[in-house]
Amino acid sequence: ELKVEQNPLFLSMQEGKNYTIYCNYSTTSDRLYWYRQDPGKSLESLFVLLSNGAVKQEGRLMASLDTKARLSTLHITAAVHDLSATYFCAVDGETSGSRLTFGEGTQLTVNP
Amino acid sequence: EAQVTQNPRYLITVTGKKLTVTCSQNMNHEYMSWYRQDPGLGLRQIYYSMNVEVTDKGDVPEGYKVSRKEKRNFPLILESPSPNQTSLYFCASSLIQGGEQYFGPGTRLTVT
Repeated sequence: ELKVEQNPLFLSMQEGKNYTIYCNYSTTSDRLYWYRQDPGKSLESLFVLLSNGAVKQEGRLMASLDTKARLSTLHITAAVHDLSATYFCAVDGETSGSRLTFGEGTQLTVNP
Repeated sequence: EAQVTQNPRYLITVTGKKLTVTCSQNMNHEYMSWYRQDPGLGLRQIYYSMNVEVTDKGDVPEGYKVSRKEKRNFPLILESPSPNQTSLYFCASSLIQGGEQYFGPGTRLTVT
């Protein structure tokens, strides 16, 4: 059974600081996804990482994938309040791209 | 506007009363999926469909049925709802398997 673990689960940080969210998974996969969810809202796709060594950046967020270590990171640079949300990673456990297993989510609060 | 729609958005029902949650996408996506989101458990996949008339079980299919008679629609059917199916449900679609998934707004279901 594929397990996906995120840490930390809760993160409170100050504006302007940097931090990293980690996503570990238990089986071989080269497809990993990051999503953002605002309170009471749906999920918004942030990044799709499809190969070992993939790195993608959008604004203050950068995601990377190390398939050998079974690890993805979501790095936040110079956080701002608008980044407060819950961030999920999800791993595709099958080559078909059909079976997504989500982590529990990291609830990020950026304080002024 | 490209979107995934779900109806109803909120539903309170009683144990055993059959219900259907509709999901429709206007992006001509092949792949569609249903998830449920529960506190502390994250999102779990219920069923997915890779194309018309092609569906398969996700991680938590018990108590649910789906059908995919048209490309744009993927309804979720609860034949005999029970209180443990109280949850927030999301439908999602993607152009291809393994591609970026677009989520609907969610349906909050309460079964009493």
